[in-house]
Amino acid sequence: EIVMTQSPATLSVSPGERATLSCRASQSISSNLAWYQQKPGQAPSLLIYGASTRATGIPARFSGSGSGTEFTLAISSLQSEDFAVYYCQQYNSWPRTFGQGTEVEIK
Amino acid sequence: EVQLVESGGGLVQPGGSLRLSCAASGFTFTSYAMSWVRQAPGKGLEWVSVITGDGKITHYADSLKGRFTISSDNSKSTVYLQVNSLRAEDTAVYYCAKTLVLQPTPFDSWGQGTLVTVSS
Repeated sequence: EIVMTQSPATLSVSPGERATLSCRASQSISSNLAWYQQKPGQAPSLLIYGASTRATGIPARFSGSGSGTEFTLAISSLQSEDFAVYYCQQYNSWPRTFGQGTEVEIK
Repeated sequence: EVQLVESGGGLVQPGGSLRLSCAASGFTFTSYAMSWVRQAPGKGLEWVSVITGDGKITHYADSLKGRFTISSDNSKSTVYLQVNSLRAEDTAVYYCAKTLVLQPTPFDSWGQGTLVTVSS
């Protein structure tokens, strides 16, 4: 099973600032990495797939990068609606596995 | 528009069983796979199981094998998760999500979830 590790657990950011979230896989997953956003009381929603491709309707302030075992999600200028929990997930092999999540909170 | 609607959750005693359902619409059900992902209260996401649209291929999380069974009914575009011998640690929101099995694919659409509470 591939273990996904996210850091930090919590990120405190002021609106308008940049946020950078990290995700590491325990073995190479090529670019088979997705990021999901989850707001309180809601289901997760797909943000980024293929490590760097934004899902339909996702604004350009969200960007993903990386391949192999190291990945990054950047949010260039945080808006109020971006404060949420973000999960990375590998879909290179079964079982699919998620990171433990990074909560982006208002500073 | 893709829609996934879960149902069947509720309060169940330890050792009990439930059958969760996920009704799908807005896409060709047999061309995709459906997964169950759960989330315990205040915790992260845990993948549970997946089944191809034709029902021929299934995978399970190792920790849940033997207690959980996934199935599908193509005529109803519905996937099921039979959960048996429930334990307190199975308390979670159970989501269904659309994906593929034979190609690396993320979970591109999710339902709103159904809450399972295991308590006496």
